[in-house]
Amino acid sequence: GQSLEQPSEVTAVEGAIVQINCTYQTSGFYGLSWYQQHDGGAPTFLSYNALDGLEETGRFSSFLSRSDSYGYLLLQELQMKDSASYFCAVRGGPDTDKLIFGTGTRLQVFP
Amino acid sequence: EAGVTQFPSHSVIEKGQTVTLRCDPISGHDNLYWYRRVMGKEIKFLLHFVKESKQDESGMPNNRFLAERTGGTYSTLKVQPAELEDSGVYFCASSVAGASYEQYFGPGTRLTVT
Repeated sequence: GQSLEQPSEVTAVEGAIVQINCTYQTSGFYGLSWYQQHDGGAPTFLSYNALDGLEETGRFSSFLSRSDSYGYLLLQELQMKDSASYFCAVRGGPDTDKLIFGTGTRLQVFP
Repeated sequence: EAGVTQFPSHSVIEKGQTVTLRCDPISGHDNLYWYRRVMGKEIKFLLHFVKESKQDESGMPNNRFLAERTGGTYSTLKVQPAELEDSGVYFCASSVAGASYEQYFGPGTRLTVT
């Protein structure tokens, strides 16, 4: 089967840097995406890695190591509004566009 | 540009009743997906349409769930008859062709079966 594991919860203070890890077990790999979801809201796309390395988008960066089946989302200059759940996701296979989501990490940012 | 919209936002029904959820994807998005999140667990895939055709139904839990996408525009997901374990938040998402890694999600329908 396919599974993605993330820490259940991470806490940090405003202005800090936090890293949310994601390890995956998949039969084949077709890219790693990250989504943010505020309580009661819709998951929102943040970032995507198809190849190894770091992708930077403003305060958020995402990293992928295919050899380690591992990726992370890095959030810098944390703000209170970053408090949300963060999900990593992979495509389900070569013949499907479905996303398989990780267990989700709840980030709490404190003042 | 309008985002993905879903209706209703909340629905409370009794076990055995029928409920129909509606999703309007972003205009021009051929791909439409249904997902479900139950009790704070991970978001799980239900099915995928490309235009009006069902591309992947592998996540549909059983034959009590029926999805349609008339004319390749909006989609409906009917649950009949509803069971207690169907409670959860049902999300619809859409994407352009070739970019399934970037799916645009609607706000979800919170379904409670009592």
